[in-house]
Amino acid sequence: QKEVEQDPGPLSVPEGAIVSLNCTYSNSAFQYFMWYRQYSRKGPELLMYTYSSGNKEDGRFTAQVDKSSKYISLFIRDSQPSDSATYLCAIRTGGGNKLTFGTGTQLKVEL
Amino acid sequence: GAGVSQSPRYKVAKRGQDVALRCDPISGHVSLFWYQQALGQGPEFLTYFQNEAQLDKSGLPSDRFFAERPEGSVSTLKIQRTQQEDSAVYLCASSDQTADTQYFGPGTRLTVL
Repeated sequence: QKEVEQDPGPLSVPEGAIVSLNCTYSNSAFQYFMWYRQYSRKGPELLMYTYSSGNKEDGRFTAQVDKSSKYISLFIRDSQPSDSATYLCAIRTGGGNKLTFGTGTQLKVEL
Repeated sequence: GAGVSQSPRYKVAKRGQDVALRCDPISGHVSLFWYQQALGQGPEFLTYFQNEAQLDKSGLPSDRFFAERPEGSVSTLKIQRTQQEDSAVYLCASSDQTADTQYFGPGTRLTVL
């Protein structure tokens, strides 16, 4: 079993839809939670960073962490075609440096 | 400002050849990471440097993989005697002293024939 599980999709939604992306993890030592966006043939770009349970909002993006369930989510409101990309969850331990990534969910927002 | 840069962007190697991949981190970033991303997968950790010291190389898949950062800035990932299974995108990331945020380069896509 992988340390971080993520549904690879692909996920296709109409423009303006609310998108929900999710990851589960198994190691309770993980304390820092990130969402990266990766466009085709580009490097991952950090979208959201959080270290506590609860919600964190930034514009159209909301990151949600439930440490008791070892479950993290990214919500995208009013999705746009420019949001079409692969979304990667990434997690690291409190004392560590390396990131452990999910497989990524491929999202397509259609006009 | 300038982000993380990597070169070459694309590399095709014949099986058995040695390759060297370069990473230029963001100026002043003390931490540097290498990740390997296979097609359709998330990046997987290879190795980590703090300045010139290689503090973690637990992700290097075999002794054919070697990384260095001799002056604490530019880093090179070397793969000896390349195999087809080494075909992947190799990503470099750097971060400042807090290591909270890792900034990724565009990657080098390696294809081994």
